[in-house]
Amino acid sequence: DQQVKQNSPSLSVQEGRISILNCDYTNSMFDYFLWYKKYPAEGPTFLISISSIKDKNEDGRFTVFLNKSAKHLSLHIVPSQPGDSAVYFCAATRAGANSKLTFGKGITLSVRP
Amino acid sequence: GAGVSQSPSNKVTEKGKDVELRCDPISGHTALYWYRQSLGQGLEFLIYFQGNSAPDKSGLPSDRFSAERTGGSVSTLTIQRTQQEDSAVYLCASSVIAGMGEKLFFGSGTQLSVL
Repeated sequence: DQQVKQNSPSLSVQEGRISILNCDYTNSMFDYFLWYKKYPAEGPTFLISISSIKDKNEDGRFTVFLNKSAKHLSLHIVPSQPGDSAVYFCAATRAGANSKLTFGKGITLSVRP
Repeated sequence: GAGVSQSPSNKVTEKGKDVELRCDPISGHTALYWYRQSLGQGLEFLIYFQGNSAPDKSGLPSDRFSAERTGGSVSTLTIQRTQQEDSAVYLCASSVIAGMGEKLFFGSGTQLSVL
């Protein structure tokens, strides 16, 4: 049973436009959410996170929105750049010591020049 | 080292052979995780270490899989009698508590191919 779902396997956007990557979760115990970015032949790297006490967190071009009632979060990238082309994983956990992350399947983002 | 180091980067083996995968975490990180990513799948949790003990082994798919960590540092993941379905990228991550959640730092992974 997948607790973190990224239902769209891929997304293609034009450089300069907005990229919106979606993620849904089923476990209501999750209270901390993270996005990781992965380039080919490299390990995932942390991008941005959000606690359930917030509904938005912004870091430069990246903003994550959380809708707890819908158990939905999204990552917005504005403006999108070709270097953003990568696989993006959504992850969730119960905050606190030693909580493992549960990951989605990932979304492959392609930003066209 | 500067980051999480995994070796080998690629491993091709024959079905039925045993393999050992190594992870060297970031110095000072007490938590160490093993994940794997099979083709078309997300990152699947395998096992977690806090120091040398493994409080959570719930993700190990079968008793052919085992892992150990010594000296609170290097960890090895051993797969005995490998099967073709074990083919995947095996990722190691280490962490230090950051705020309310844990930010994991991943290695580049070991691509395991079982023929």
